[in-house]
Amino acid sequence: EIVMTQSPGTLSVSPGERATLSCRASQSVKSNLAWYQQKPGQAPRLLIYGASTRATGIPARFSGSGSGTEFTLSISSLQSEDFAVYYCQQYNNWPPTLTFGGGTRVEIK
Amino acid sequence: EVQLLESGGGLVQPGGSLRLSCETSGFTFNNYAMSWVRQAPGKGLEWVSISRSTVTNTYYADSVRGRFIISRDESKSTLYLQMNSLRAEDTGVYYCAKTEYDSFQLPFHHWGQGTLVTVSS
Repeated sequence: EIVMTQSPGTLSVSPGERATLSCRASQSVKSNLAWYQQKPGQAPRLLIYGASTRATGIPARFSGSGSGTEFTLSISSLQSEDFAVYYCQQYNNWPPTLTFGGGTRVEIK
Repeated sequence: EVQLLESGGGLVQPGGSLRLSCETSGFTFNNYAMSWVRQAPGKGLEWVSISRSTVTNTYYADSVRGRFIISRDESKSTLYLQMNSLRAEDTGVYYCAKTEYDSFQLPFHHWGQGTLVTVSS
C-alpha cells in the first residue's frame, strides 16, 4: 500500500504571504497526484491533478509541482478564502487504492 | 451542472447494516467511474470503494473489504454503498465522488455534500 505523508500538519501564514505545502509518497506515483481543498462543513474541492494541472475554475495563485515521490502545492498570495485543510491523493497504484495524505491545515497567522 | 446527492445515512447499532445512495444528474452516469470516500469526525479523508460501469470489477479499501458492497443502477443514474457488519470506526460523513472518465485511476472532479453515518449503541 502506498502511504502519503503531508507536512507540516499545520501551517500559519499571514494573508498575502506565500504558502508551501509538501506531500511525500512511500513509492513512486509518477505524476498521478491530486490536491484538494476542504473548508469546514463542506465537501472537498479538486484544485490540482496530474501533479501540476489546475482544475476548472481554480485561480492561478494555486500551483502544483513534483513527480515520483515528492510533491508541492504552492499558494502564491494567500487570500482569506484560502484558509482551509489541504489533502493530497495518489491515484497511480494497481489494484487501485486511492490513498489520501493526512492533510495540512492552513491557518491565519 | 453535475449534481451528486447522497442519502441513507443515520444512526445504526454496531453489527447493523445501512445502504447509502448517491443520486446523480447533469452527466451521462455510465460514462464515469464513481467512488465513495469517507471522513471520520475531525479526521482526514479515506477512500472506501470505486466502481466502473463497463467493468464488473470493483475495489475496496482494506478496512471495508468483505463488509461493504458498491453497486450502481445505470437506469437510475444512482450509486449505492451497502454497508454490513458496521463498526464504531465506520462512523463519519460518506461522500460520493465522480471522476472525469471511466477509469479506476483518476482524481475526483466532483463531490456530493455527504451523508452522516453514526455507528453507536
